[in-house]
Amino acid sequence: GAVVSQHPSRVICKSGTSVKIECRSLDFQATTMFWYRQFPKQSLMLMATSNEGSKATYEQGVEKDKFLINHASLTLSTLTVTSAHPEDSSFYICSARESRENSPLHFGNGTRLTVT
Amino acid sequence: AQKVTQAQTEISVVEKEDVTLDCVYETRDTTYYLFWYKQPPSGELVFLIRRNSFDEQNEISGRYSWNFQKSTSSFNFTITASQVVDSAVYFCALSAVYGNNRLAFGKGNQVVVIP
Repeated sequence: GAVVSQHPSRVICKSGTSVKIECRSLDFQATTMFWYRQFPKQSLMLMATSNEGSKATYEQGVEKDKFLINHASLTLSTLTVTSAHPEDSSFYICSARESRENSPLHFGNGTRLTVT
Repeated sequence: AQKVTQAQTEISVVEKEDVTLDCVYETRDTTYYLFWYKQPPSGELVFLIRRNSFDEQNEISGRYSWNFQKSTSSFNFTITASQVVDSAVYFCALSAVYGNNRLAFGKGNQVVVIP
């Protein structure tokens, strides 16, 4: 079945540095990818919708300059957390939808980011 | 706007007991999808089921069963004869059929199966 690969699965970084998270659709083309954030014991909150070849659509309250999203190809979207702070520590998970109509969503395995 | 409510936050059951997770949703869409996902401690989301709003038939898959009641906007999930491996957080989610299919998640049910 369709697989979404998310890398890295865990990352620890220092405050002030930037971290890039990759989301790849391995055996299908994804015109749309979604980035979610999950705080401990909380639900998944949609951060942004990433569209191939165009700018991402951010949800209200999500800082565009803080969370840079690039969807340069039909199989890859990246989320860069810029100038990370401890409050950015969270679980980030991406999902991708196949290009065909009514296709299901597939989720990556998530990235646990810890900012020290 | 779409909204998914999972009222029970944490549910503890003894192994082999049945457990039912309630999911109530709100949407203005006439057609929509409903989902259940399992999130074990390792964090990944495991897809369990997707149900189209056109299809109100209940579904059974092994020890899992789902009861879709469109009249009450509910999509409840039952685990029969629970096992320790069922311990996880279970999320109910909703998306439109058309458009970009963004998912609205409920807050999740933490299921703890006690051996």
